[in-house]
Amino acid sequence: EPEVTQTPSHQVTQMGQEVILRCVPISNHLYFYWYRQILGQKVEFLVSFYNNEISEKSEIFDDQFSVERPDGSNFTLKIRSTKLEDSAMYFCASGGQGAGEQFFGPGTRLTVL
Amino acid sequence: GIQVEQSPPDLILQEGANSTLRCNFSDSVNNLQWFHQNPWGQLINLFYIPSGTKQNGRLSATTVATERYSLLYISSSQTTDSGVYFCAVGGSTDSWGKLQFGAGTQVVVTP
Repeated sequence: EPEVTQTPSHQVTQMGQEVILRCVPISNHLYFYWYRQILGQKVEFLVSFYNNEISEKSEIFDDQFSVERPDGSNFTLKIRSTKLEDSAMYFCASGGQGAGEQFFGPGTRLTVL
Repeated sequence: GIQVEQSPPDLILQEGANSTLRCNFSDSVNNLQWFHQNPWGQLINLFYIPSGTKQNGRLSATTVATERYSLLYISSSQTTDSGVYFCAVGGSTDSWGKLQFGAGTQVVVTP
């Protein structure tokens, strides 16, 4: 069964460093998402991406964040200058339709020191 | 945005017991999903159920969209059912599919 994969599973970085989180969505899906979950809190929407552009973003998704689909398979989230409060689990998801079921990857746990 | 409320916030069960988790939402939806977050933090997709009833083994779910709630039933609970259960909804006015998550129900199943 096809699945969404994410790398790395865990990333530790120093405050102020840039990080890139990688995702490989399900191959025939067209809609891509990033969500994050700060420890002990609920999952929050960051951004949706369709047709090679951002379709919607939340207030959390400020200028420090960017997303890219550099080739036909990868979908990346870049944080330019990490802050302590960026420490969280980041989930990638993909879907075949805009309002259809979303399939989540296993997550990347980001720790900013 | 759409509000999602889950109840109860915490649930302690003895192995073998049955339970019902509830998700209320504030507006009409075109997507509703139930997830189980395991101890490693992974979100396991349980049901995609914007309306109707579905069953998968010991788990079943019902969504009554017109009354804006969904229920997740766990029967004959096992210790492996422990974890946090999240309900997530996509509002019907949102064409890009963003999901709003509830705060979750923390379930502990004791032997």
